[in-house]
Amino acid sequence: GENVEQHPSTLSVQEGDSAVIKCTYSDSASNYFPWYKQELGKRPQLIIDIRSNVGEKKDQRIAVTLNKTAKHFSLHITETQPEDSAVYFCAASESGANNLFFGTGTRLTVIP
Amino acid sequence: DTAVSQTPKYLVTQMGNDKSIKCEQNLGHDTMYWYKQDSKKFLKIMFSYNNKELIINETVPNRFSPKSPDKAHLNLHINSLELGDSAVYFCASSQLGAREQYFGPGTRLTVT
Repeated sequence: GENVEQHPSTLSVQEGDSAVIKCTYSDSASNYFPWYKQELGKRPQLIIDIRSNVGEKKDQRIAVTLNKTAKHFSLHITETQPEDSAVYFCAASESGANNLFFGTGTRLTVIP
Repeated sequence: DTAVSQTPKYLVTQMGNDKSIKCEQNLGHDTMYWYKQDSKKFLKIMFSYNNKELIINETVPNRFSPKSPDKAHLNLHINSLELGDSAVYFCASSQLGAREQYFGPGTRLTVT
């Protein structure tokens, strides 16, 4: 099955700085890569996703990049704000199957 | 309106008991899932189910069984509960082919 690794496990940044979280996946058949944000005690919520036919996608302050050859993808958050503090999960999913295989999570803390 | 709901929110029970967690979605999705999030926040797929196919993660003990009375519901039954079953269980749903998954609020199960 798919194996997704995520780094770093914790990340602290000053408000206004950028944050980058990186993931690698093992299964070359994976073609869908979502990112979820989970606030304390809440459900995971989709914040952005990318499909394997696209190299980069942006939505306001967040962007995701995908390198299919190297099997890695990254989440970039610019101009971080305290409300960005949460646990972020990357995930991968194979074509034809919807099961998501999650990374181990990154706890992001934005220091005011 | 709540898109994906779960009951109960909290469940405390003793080892050896049998319990169920209910999940309902009103999004009209055709695929539903159960995920387990352990104390280290790792999120792992347990099952995915649509009206044609049940996909079981091979690591899930057969004490766990999903039951779907209709397309909008996927309940999780757990027999002979063990201490290691303590976790937060999330239900999710998606439309086959659309890939985006929407999570329920989670059920925190504590086995004593």
